[in-house]
Amino acid sequence: EAGVAQSPRYKIIEKRQSVAFWCNPISGHATLYWYQQILGQGPKLLIQFQNNGVVDDSQLPKDRFSAERLKGVDSTLKIQPAKLEDSAVYLCASSLRQARDIQYFGAGTRLSVL
Amino acid sequence: DQQVKQNSPSLSVQEGRISILNCDYTNSMFDYFLWYKKYPAEGPTFLISISSIKDKNEDGRFTVFLNKSAKHLSLHIVPSQPGDSAVYFCAASAREDSGSRLTFGEGTQLTVNP
Repeated sequence: EAGVAQSPRYKIIEKRQSVAFWCNPISGHATLYWYQQILGQGPKLLIQFQNNGVVDDSQLPKDRFSAERLKGVDSTLKIQPAKLEDSAVYLCASSLRQARDIQYFGAGTRLSVL
Repeated sequence: DQQVKQNSPSLSVQEGRISILNCDYTNSMFDYFLWYKKYPAEGPTFLISISSIKDKNEDGRFTVFLNKSAKHLSLHIVPSQPGDSAVYFCAASAREDSGSRLTFGEGTQLTVNP
């Protein structure tokens, strides 16, 4: 079974530029999550989708971050404009349904904002 | 507000001995707890979980203990193996949330020496 795929693996941009990350969840998984992991901290949930609807985006900085999950499969997370403090690993995870199902994580995208 | 805290950034043990990783939480609404393991350049992988109705859950060499009154959980690995060397994150969720939002601790780097 293929795991959660993310791209790119690494991205370096300058502050005020925009950037986008892509995630392809495990086939058949209805729920998709985006996490931000800053160095030395644990992952923090940014947004959760159930199929193509948003379930929880309470911790998403909506002035600069946006995410979509078209057709309930792939998802894209965008940052515009980026700030220095956005430097982090962005992890995508998926689970079969929602409540208490195991979350499977991708390898993440490491973003450096200079 | 750090609701899940792992106070030991690192732990070093000898192969064959027991590893004990600790985690404390402050939110009394948390009722489901998990441990994830993370190797470098990979995403976190699920290890073991425990519901608040239990105080112990065992899976092979891994056992998680939950002390609700102390708001403390621990992961025991016995015997420890060099392949267990990784960062271990504890995570918690509350039923009042979307049902699957995980709050992670900062992680503990475990090193098992041959």
